[in-house]
Amino acid sequence: LAKTTQPISMDSYEGQEVNITCSHNNIATNDYITWYQQFPSQGPRFIIQGYKTKVTNEVASLFIPADRKSSTLSLPRVSLSDTAVYYCLVGDMEYGNKLVFGAGTILRVKS
Amino acid sequence: DVKVTQSSRYLVKRTGEKVFLECVQDMDHENMFWYRQDPGLGLRLIYFSYDVKMKEKGDIPEGYSVSREKKERFSLILESASTNQTSMYLCASHPPGGWTEAFFGQGTRLTVV
Repeated sequence: LAKTTQPISMDSYEGQEVNITCSHNNIATNDYITWYQQFPSQGPRFIIQGYKTKVTNEVASLFIPADRKSSTLSLPRVSLSDTAVYYCLVGDMEYGNKLVFGAGTILRVKS
Repeated sequence: DVKVTQSSRYLVKRTGEKVFLECVQDMDHENMFWYRQDPGLGLRLIYFSYDVKMKEKGDIPEGYSVSREKKERFSLILESASTNQTSMYLCASHPPGGWTEAFFGQGTRLTVV
């Protein structure tokens, strides 16, 4: 699985847009990019997934440049409830492959 | 809704006890995973299974074993619990093929005294 690098933590204020960038220089052709969110004392929750260009859902947008060596999770107008740990994962879940999480990015949203 | 259910939310066990953590999923997923999570260390993979009776070691398998006798159930076993196994344990399931989302249980906070 491709190794990912994310910032350890980020601070923001309510109403701001937050962008968290993940580096994955050795991403493989078959790899997807997936982001999870985890609140304290809960299991991670899927946010968004993409392969290339831009993906948007009701929660976030995911921007992936043409070389796919990085990706950016964008959270529009964050609120206090967006305070969580955000994980970037890169890989393909074919039979027998692991699902490996890194340390993630701690996002703290302040009022 | 997909459900991944862990048998206990909180558990307190004594050093040396054999501990069973149970995880059941209802979506017929082939892949199941056990993680532990400790402050500052993120989620670390203990074991995973991609089919019934199949298991693979993750990054930190020492002191643990697993059992997958049925597709929907994946058990984590602490053969002889120690205080350094006090942690939050998370189970997940995931269908194979390309990449889709993984589903996590609510976690079991295990304290070994």
